[in-house]
Amino acid sequence: QVQLLESGGGVVQPGGSLRLSCAASGFTFSTYGMHWVRQAPGKGLEWVAFTRYDESNQYYADSVKGRFTIFKDNSKNTVYLQMNSLREDDTAVYYCANDRVPKSFGELGYWGQGTLVTVSS
Amino acid sequence: AIQMTQSPSSLSASVGDRIIITCRASQHIRDDLAWYQQKPGKAPNLLIYSVSNLQNGVPSRFSGSGSGTEFTLTISSLQPEDFATYYCLHDHIHPWTFGQGTEVEVK
Repeated sequence: QVQLLESGGGVVQPGGSLRLSCAASGFTFSTYGMHWVRQAPGKGLEWVAFTRYDESNQYYADSVKGRFTIFKDNSKNTVYLQMNSLREDDTAVYYCANDRVPKSFGELGYWGQGTLVTVSS
Repeated sequence: AIQMTQSPSSLSASVGDRIIITCRASQHIRDDLAWYQQKPGKAPNLLIYSVSNLQNGVPSRFSGSGSGTEFTLTISSLQPEDFATYYCLHDHIHPWTFGQGTEVEVK
């Protein structure tokens, strides 16, 4: 079955950096686009970033553009989110998710359990 | 960016009730609309994709409809396990955007 396991969350000071990882199994990772979505405490869902299955294109929410980078390593079945210049409003649970359909650009299918990032001095 | 306006933001209902949640897009999004269910402390779960297609394993009491800019999620007979928060999502063009969420509470 599909499994997505995020890691790398923690407490970081404003202006700092953090790299999140999401290890995937149960599907052919190299043929799926991957997303990151976040949820601030007590708030709704916010889509953050997407990379196409072959990394030919990446897309970002305006709120993170220029600060966050999504990339995937198909040899390790892992997608990453490099987060730089972190701000307090980046505090959230971060989820990774795969695209529902391979080689596509569409809705999110399976989700991981999330990892908490807290930006605080 | 396309804005997704979801209503109501919360509703109170009883087991067996029929409930309808609405999502309005700020521009036409064809059939690029999905619905997710999220329970407290858990990741969201895909219920419906492409407006009306039920994800594998989702009970048939869930249904979706609509086109263009107006979409609905209907639960025909609310069950105890359905008390949760529901989100719509468009995947028409980047950036993807979610509705604000609808919390379905016990009356």
